[in-house]
Amino acid sequence: DVKVTQSSRYLVKRTGEKVFLECVQDMDHENMFWYRQDPGLGLRLIYFSYDVKMKEKGDIPEGYSVSREKKERFSLILESASTNQTSMYLCAIGLGQQVGGTQYFGPGTRLLVL
Amino acid sequence: GNSVTQMEGPVTLSEEAFLTINCTYTATGYPSLFWYVQYPGEGLQLLLKATKADDKGSNKGFEATYRKETTSFHLEKGSVQVSDSAVYFCALSDGDDKIIFGKGTRLHILP
Repeated sequence: DVKVTQSSRYLVKRTGEKVFLECVQDMDHENMFWYRQDPGLGLRLIYFSYDVKMKEKGDIPEGYSVSREKKERFSLILESASTNQTSMYLCAIGLGQQVGGTQYFGPGTRLLVL
Repeated sequence: GNSVTQMEGPVTLSEEAFLTINCTYTATGYPSLFWYVQYPGEGLQLLLKATKADDKGSNKGFEATYRKETTSFHLEKGSVQVSDSAVYFCALSDGDDKIIFGKGTRLHILP
């Protein structure tokens, strides 16, 4: 089974803090993704990566950055957290086009910025 | 651009009722289509998928058929259970390994 782990289930941070959300996979997959999920808006893609040290902007990258120093780990960074970044953050890994682009998700991190 | 439209919720049904959640898509080429489910407090789980026209995906009593002529991928289940209460997302992948999601449909099943 594919296993995707996120470092925290719940986080509470203050405005202006630097926040790190980590995602770790236990397989050798290249493709990793970060989404945020908000009521009425569904899932929106923040950043993705197709390999180590590679990153691509998604639909809503403003206010975020990412790091992928090792293949199994993909970190989302909020440089200076703001209240409008309160959300559920979901990490996913992609298994590639040989399986139709299927993605598998971690359990999510619910972030509250005060 | 590519997009997915699914029926807005919430949808409330009694146990053992028949379920349909409508999903239509816009895409160039031949996308793969998915239904994901999110149970309370959890991440998304792949429920079923179809990768080409006329394929039927099925899992846990749920089914959806890839209809290219109507650009649809409606989710159906013949007899729902309380444990099916969740949010359901229709989605497509158009060949670059990114997935485009619908906004989700919340389903409530009453005992």
